[in-house]
Amino acid sequence: EPEVTQTPSHQVTQMGQEVILRCVPISNHLYFYWYRQILGQKVEFLVSFYNNEISEKSEIFDDQFSVERPDGSNFTLKIRSTKLEDSAMYFCASREDSYGYTFGSGTRLTVV
Amino acid sequence: AQTVTQSQPEMSVQEAETVTLSCTYDTSESDYYLFWYKQPPSRQMILVIRQEAYKQQNATENRFSVNFQKAAKSFSLKISDSQLGDAAMYFCAYSPYTSGTYKYIFGTGTRLKVLA
Repeated sequence: EPEVTQTPSHQVTQMGQEVILRCVPISNHLYFYWYRQILGQKVEFLVSFYNNEISEKSEIFDDQFSVERPDGSNFTLKIRSTKLEDSAMYFCASREDSYGYTFGSGTRLTVV
Repeated sequence: AQTVTQSQPEMSVQEAETVTLSCTYDTSESDYYLFWYKQPPSRQMILVIRQEAYKQQNATENRFSVNFQKAAKSFSLKISDSQLGDAAMYFCAYSPYTSGTYKYIFGTGTRLKVLA
C-alpha cells in the first residue's frame, strides 16, 4: 500500500537553529499538508499546499515557517529559528481526492 | 468557529466487548466530512472510518461503525468485538467542503484501553 514517508523520525536541535523536515507524499497525490501535535495535545493544522503554492495556512504558521516542493517529489517544512515551543510531533499528509488523508509516521522535533 | 469536542479523555473496554467513543462538533456548514483516526503508540495516524454529511446511512468498516446524527452534530464511533490491537488514541476530525483545502479540525482525542 502506498505510504507517505517522513524523515528524520526524530530530530534534536538547538534553540535558534534552522530545521528542515522532509516528506515524500504518495506520487499521484496533489494536495499536501503539515500538521503539528504538541505532546499530549490535539493535532493542529499548519498549512496546505496545492499546485506549488500554499492554499491555506493557520495562525500558527507564521514567518518562521515555510514549505516548498523543491523537486516534484519531496515536500519540506522549514522552521527558520526554532523555539522551545516548536517541540512537537510534525505530521505530513497527502490526499488524492476528498476521501481522506494518508499521514506519514511523523517527525518528533525536540528543541533544547 | 468550527470546533470538535471529545468529552471522554479515556475509556476502557474488556476484550471482545463493545465500546462507543463520543464526538460532537459545531459548524454552520451543511456539507462536510467527518473522520475517526487511530493513533497507536507508534504515533502514526491511521484512518479508521469516514462519513459524508450528505449521506444519511451510517458508515461501517468491519468492526467499526459510526452513529451520525447530523441535527445533533454528533458522530460517535462504535468498536465491536474489541481486540488488544485496538488500544490507541482515537481522534475525531471534521473537514468542511467549503474550505477548498479540506483541512481537518481535530478533537482532543480519547485514549482507549483494552483489557485482557
